[in-house]
Parts: sequence; C-alpha cells; structure tokens
Amino acid sequence: AQSVTQLDSHVSVSEGTPVLLRCNYSSSYSPSLFWYVQHPNKGLQLLLKYTSAATLVKGINGFEAEFKKSETSFHLTKPSAHMSDAAEYFCVVSDRGSTLGRLYFGRGTQLTVWP
Amino acid sequence: DSGVTQTPKHLITATGQRVTLRCSPRSGDLSVYWYQQSLDQGLQFLIQYYNGEERAKGNILERFSAQQFPDLHSELNLSSLELGDSALYFCASSVDQHSTDTQYFGPGTRLTVL
Repeated sequence: AQSVTQLDSHVSVSEGTPVLLRCNYSSSYSPSLFWYVQHPNKGLQLLLKYTSAATLVKGINGFEAEFKKSETSFHLTKPSAHMSDAAEYFCVVSDRGSTLGRLYFGRGTQLTVWP
Repeated sequence: DSGVTQTPKHLITATGQRVTLRCSPRSGDLSVYWYQQSLDQGLQFLIQYYNGEERAKGNILERFSAQQFPDLHSELNLSSLELGDSALYFCASSVDQHSTDTQYFGPGTRLTVL
C-alpha cells in the first residue's frame, strides 16, 4: 500500500531564507513522487515529479526535491523563500508499477513566509 | 490556468438532496479523476475514468457515482447528502491513465451541505 507522511503541518520562514518541507513515503512498489502546491482558493499546481530518472528533481519557481530510497524520503527545498511561496504544499505518491493513476496525498504543510 | 474546468464553483444545498458536479478535462486528456478535500480526511481519491470506462475506485461512498461521457467530460453525482459531505471536490485530468502521468487539477467545487 502507498502512503505519505508530511512531517510538519506548519513551517514558517523569513523571506530570503531556505525552505525545507519534509516528506516520507511508504510504497509496496517503485513509487512515482510529486509535490503539488495549493494557493488559497485555487486548485493544485504541480511543482515537480520524480518517476525514475535523476534522483534530484528540479521544479518550477526554484523548488527542487531529492529522492532518497534508503531513507524513503522526498523532501522539498528552495534556497531562498519569496512571499509568493506562502501556500499549502502536498507530497504525493503513486505506484509507478501500476497502470492506474491513483494519487495518495499527504496531509499537507502550510508554509508561511514572513517579510 | 490548468485547462481543467469545473462547474459550479460553489454549491449550497440541504441534507438529503442530490447534486451534480461537472468537469471538463484539458483538451486531449483521456483520463479524469475525482478527489475530495475535507478537513477531516485531507485529499482523497474517489474515482478514475479513462476514455469513458471506470478504471479505479477509491474511498467513494455508495451514495456517490460518476461517469465520463463520449466527449470526455465527467460528472460526479452525490445523493442523499449528509453534513459530512461538505468538502472541496477536485477534478483532475491526464493525457493517459498511468501513475507517471501528470495530473492537472481544476479549481474545485466547494460543496456546503446545510
């Protein structure tokens, strides 16, 4: 079975400082992993995804994530936070070995960016 | 803008009623997915359709049903509504049906059951 644990429900950073949002996953098979962002009253937007190529994945808006199989982690980072990064972030897993596209979402991490 | 449209944006109804949520996928996408986002349960997968056929079911109640039409738009029908059905319902679409395909999400329909 697939599941995702986002280790922090809230993260607060100052503008210009690094961002780290932590995610651990559990998967019976080789996983595909995603990070989505949800701004207030908006839908979900894909930040980046890992499907089996390079373990360091670069996404939009300066975000990146590293797939670490030994640690079953897929943490999201950004070197310098911007006010516009304030949103809710979801770590997501799916079963890469499956022909079905079902996604399993973590409970989300609310990122606050202080000026 | 993801290219996925959902109507209506907001829906307020009473317990026991029935509602229909509508989703139009991105042009060219064959798969449609429905998700429910609530404070209690977070984001949960409900059901997936691919080219008109049901492909996968998640935590979808028997009171809920969905279908995908020949023009690929989809509808989610919720009946005998309860207070606990109040949630944000998202539709997503992808070009194919595989787990590696990127899913593009619509803006959601916020359902309030009074």
